[in-house]
Amino acid sequence: DSGVTQTPKHLITATGQRVTLRCSPRSGDLSVYWYQQSLDQGLQFLIQYYNGEERAKGNILERFSAQQFPDLHSELNLSSLELGDSALYFCASSVDPTGLTLDTQYFGPGTRLTVL
Amino acid sequence: DAKTTQPNSMESNEEEPVHLPCNHSTISGTDYIHWYRQLPSQGPEYVIHGLTSNVNNRMASLAIAEDRKSSTLILHRATLRDAAVYYCILYTGNQFYFGTGTSLTVIP
Repeated sequence: DSGVTQTPKHLITATGQRVTLRCSPRSGDLSVYWYQQSLDQGLQFLIQYYNGEERAKGNILERFSAQQFPDLHSELNLSSLELGDSALYFCASSVDPTGLTLDTQYFGPGTRLTVL
Repeated sequence: DAKTTQPNSMESNEEEPVHLPCNHSTISGTDYIHWYRQLPSQGPEYVIHGLTSNVNNRMASLAIAEDRKSSTLILHRATLRDAAVYYCILYTGNQFYFGTGTSLTVIP
């Protein structure tokens, strides 16, 4: 158990819909990262938040957005869903006291999204 | 454009050393090399990371070539619990770029 929790574990929805994935980082971790893992694209970094502010952006679509709240939990919002958005979405957290993102990342168990 | 390349799969006998290679020919001077592994049905977990010098921890060793264009993750004695997909990752520009990973099979 990494200490990172993600809800829900599974999500099934239809094309065009909007969903929200939630992540609670390990106690004390300031950085939260979101990743997408799909069969054709592998693991891809989406976005990082550090202490409530966006720190780095990866291959995140404009239909996707994220935020980190004052209590440091984070949400990933996926809208106008397409079949190709079906994937495993991981959240990770790290202590990252310097903001340099060199610390070990602890991954949650993931949320499996299925778009029908 | 992949920043790291790894063999798709490797096999090892139990209790023997395993050397997992990774090429990262476009690496720049400040880019860190990270290794994570993903056990079946789990999220990735940290293994080791380094910049220039070889690194050791309780899980593994990381050997980095002098020109830094390649690195090797070394598991000193493979166990059945080491069967996983091992990802070589380049940390550059505040982003982690995962390779396609090497699926390690450990044979009893």
